[in-house]
Parts: sequence; C-alpha cells; structure tokens
Amino acid sequence: DAKTTQPPSMDCAEGRAANLPCNHSTISGNEYVYWYRQIHSQGPQYIIHGLKNNETNEMASLIITEDRKSSTLILPHATLRDTAVYYCIVRSRNSGNTPLVFGKGTRLSVIA
Amino acid sequence: DAGVIQSPRHEVTEMGQEVTLRCKPISGHNSLFWYRQTMMRGLELLIYFNNNVPIDDSGMPEDRFSAKMPNASFSTLKIQPSEPRDSAVYFCASSPQAHTDTQYFGPGTRLTVL
Repeated sequence: DAKTTQPPSMDCAEGRAANLPCNHSTISGNEYVYWYRQIHSQGPQYIIHGLKNNETNEMASLIITEDRKSSTLILPHATLRDTAVYYCIVRSRNSGNTPLVFGKGTRLSVIA
Repeated sequence: DAGVIQSPRHEVTEMGQEVTLRCKPISGHNSLFWYRQTMMRGLELLIYFNNNVPIDDSGMPEDRFSAKMPNASFSTLKIQPSEPRDSAVYFCASSPQAHTDTQYFGPGTRLTVL
C-alpha cells in the first residue's frame, strides 16, 4: 500500500469547514483513498473512500486531485464532536479482507 | 445491529497473570482483526482471521500472545504471562465479504498490567 503523509495536528472553529489534507504521491492506479477517524477512547470509524472522483456522504466530502497524488477530507460544518484523530489510508480495493495500516493521522481539534 | 462487542472494557491485572480478551464480531462478517494501540507505536495489527482461519499472525509480539476463533461469532486473545509492556488498548474489528471497504471496530479493551 502506498505511504501517506498528514499534518500532525489542525485546529478548526466550530461551525466552519475542516479541510484535512493527505499526500499520497506514490499511489498506484488500483489504490483507493480511505479515511477513518478515532474519537477519544473509541475504536476507529470509517468515514469515506474514493478512487478518483470526488465523493460525498452524510459525514464528509472527499476531494482527490486529478493526478491522485493528494486528497482532502472536508467536514463542511465541524462540531465539537468531530474532534478526533483522522487517518488517511491508501489501499487496493482488491486487498479483500486484509488489515488496515494506520499512520499517525491528523489530530483535529474543533474549538468553540 | 449491536456492532462489534468486546469484553471486558477494562482489565487491570498483575504481572504474570493470564489475561483473556473477548470479541464478538458483527453477524455475517467473515473477517476478524485484532489491533493494539499504544502511545508509542500507534495502532498496529496483531493477527487476523478469514472464515475463522488465522491468516497473518506476524504482528503477535511473542509466544506469550495467542488468538483463537473457534467459530464465526467469537474470538479470544490471550496473554500468558502478562507483562507491564502489554498495557495498551486492544481493538477487535470485523468486516464482511471480500472486496468490501469498511472495517467495523469494537470499543476496545483497555488493559493495564501492574
């Protein structure tokens, strides 16, 4: 799986959009970008994934650059409950049921 | 659906004692993963099973650790004897059939070995 690089921490004002970047310059053609988050004292939680098109669900939006070397997770209206560590993971969808490899992620602090 | 269930949620034991962590995956899921999280090493895989069969246990620290999955609805992670450096949060996760995108994590077991 390709390696990812994320900033260690970010702050965001409550109600504003939180934009979390991820670099994955060595991503290959069959690899997807996945985002998970871990709220304090809880297990990681799946957020969203994408291949090359922008994706949106009830939790977030994922913007992947045209060259696919980076992406941004967007929480459109961050709340205090969005304070968590966010992990960007690149892996092949053909990985099947294989383990996730977590980096250090970005610690997002949403501030009132 | 109750999600992945882990027990106990907290465990405090003394060095040298046997510790057994338990996991009930989501019904119908055929893969189960055990992860460990520490401040120093972050989240790391210990072992995982597909269809109750261990696939990769290379993350298991040493012979003191063992894991079993006797059936599709139950798995155990055992540490014998436990040591202070085993103190961590242990997560169990499950996922459904192959070519899926999501792993569902349990709430974790916080283990403290004194």
